[in-house]
Amino acid sequence: GQQVMQIPQYQHVQEGEDFTTYCNSSTTLSNIQWYKQRPGGHPVFLIQLVKSGEVKKQKRLTFQFGEAKKNSSLHITATQTTDVGTYFCAVEYGSGNTGKLIFGQGTTLQVKP
Amino acid sequence: DGGITQSPKYLFRKEGQNVTLSCEQNLNHDAMYWYRQDPGQGLRLIYYSQIVNDFQKGDIAEGYSVSREKKESFPLTVTSAQKNPTAFYLCASSRQQGDEQYFGPGTRLTVT
Repeated sequence: GQQVMQIPQYQHVQEGEDFTTYCNSSTTLSNIQWYKQRPGGHPVFLIQLVKSGEVKKQKRLTFQFGEAKKNSSLHITATQTTDVGTYFCAVEYGSGNTGKLIFGQGTTLQVKP
Repeated sequence: DGGITQSPKYLFRKEGQNVTLSCEQNLNHDAMYWYRQDPGQGLRLIYYSQIVNDFQKGDIAEGYSVSREKKESFPLTVTSAQKNPTAFYLCASSRQQGDEQYFGPGTRLTVT
């Protein structure tokens, strides 16, 4: 089946450093969603990107959707210990509205205080 | 969280037994989903339902069954045919297909 690659799998940073996770697909995406899962918790929706080249910001988080709609990134500026968790991208292929999201394997972020 | 409940939080069963995990939502969402999460891995879709009395297989439906008799309920049965049932099971719902998904707290199933 269709897959989406998410890299890196793990990232350890010092508090205050920046962090980026990437989500890549070989085929065009309808849209992409990003979720965060804290240790021991459940995924929580962060944002959805739909348009080619779209950039959205949430405080220290910046989300980008590639021009070709085949990749996306999540960038955190000046990480804090509260950013610890696993970040997942979730994609929908084709024309959209299939109801079926495919999740990446996630990037687990550890932040050293 | 967000009006979705899953119970119990932890569940232990003997091999060969069927077990049903509950998922209830009071968000009036049309779509509901079941995912499986194994350690260090992403979420894999088991079944999803876009409307009452209708559901579709996801990527790993073998050994599982579901029903959607009511809008607010989407129970998942892990049958004895599921070869490796020990996992963290997450239920989610969305207003409509393709919208952001709200997840329940999950049920951690251990089969020995």
